[in-house]
Amino acid sequence: KQEVTQIPAALSVPEGENLVLNCSFTDSAIYNLQWFRQDPGKGLTSLLLIQSSQREQTSGRLNASLDKSSGRSTLYIAASQPGDSATYLCASPSAGTDKLIFGTGTRLQVFP
Amino acid sequence: GAVVSQHPSWVICKSGTSVKIECRSLDFQATTMFWYRQFPKQSLMLMATSNEGSKATYEQGVEKDKFLINHASLTLSTLTVTSAHPEDSSFYICSARAGTGNYEQYFGPGTRLTVT
Repeated sequence: KQEVTQIPAALSVPEGENLVLNCSFTDSAIYNLQWFRQDPGKGLTSLLLIQSSQREQTSGRLNASLDKSSGRSTLYIAASQPGDSATYLCASPSAGTDKLIFGTGTRLQVFP
Repeated sequence: GAVVSQHPSWVICKSGTSVKIECRSLDFQATTMFWYRQFPKQSLMLMATSNEGSKATYEQGVEKDKFLINHASLTLSTLTVTSAHPEDSSFYICSARAGTGNYEQYFGPGTRLTVT
């Protein structure tokens, strides 16, 4: 059964810092891994989707990497801004299932 | 593209009444839709998976008679919370997927349910 965990649970940083959010998963036989952003009281915004055959994906200031052998993914946020403040969730299905398993989330606050 | 909507965005109901939440895929046909529940400061938990034209598959611990799911078309799924109680108050989020297996899920904006 896939289990997904994220560290740290919360992070507070000054504007401009480069950040690394971590995601670990137990079942390495995954189709893909997704990173989402969730603002308070809102739904999910998909940030990046990494296929199992890929090692990383980039979108603007965001870069996500995937290491299936070690069961880890990282989300790198460059030059953080206050507008990046949100909860970041990673999620992955186990191979052979339709179920997307979510991590516990990292609550990020970037202060001016 | 790949927009999923939910209606209503928030609802308040009295204990014992039923509430229906709609999930629509606006610009694609969703063979599969998923319903999640999220309690405050917690992550999303999958409640059930529904495929168009067939019965939903519920996760362990989710009462299928309480949470009725209908996926009557390729663009619409509904979740009805029957005889709602205050402990059913939560944020309900749906997602939709165009295919099976490795297709990406697209998420709706969520529905905040408060049962008084």
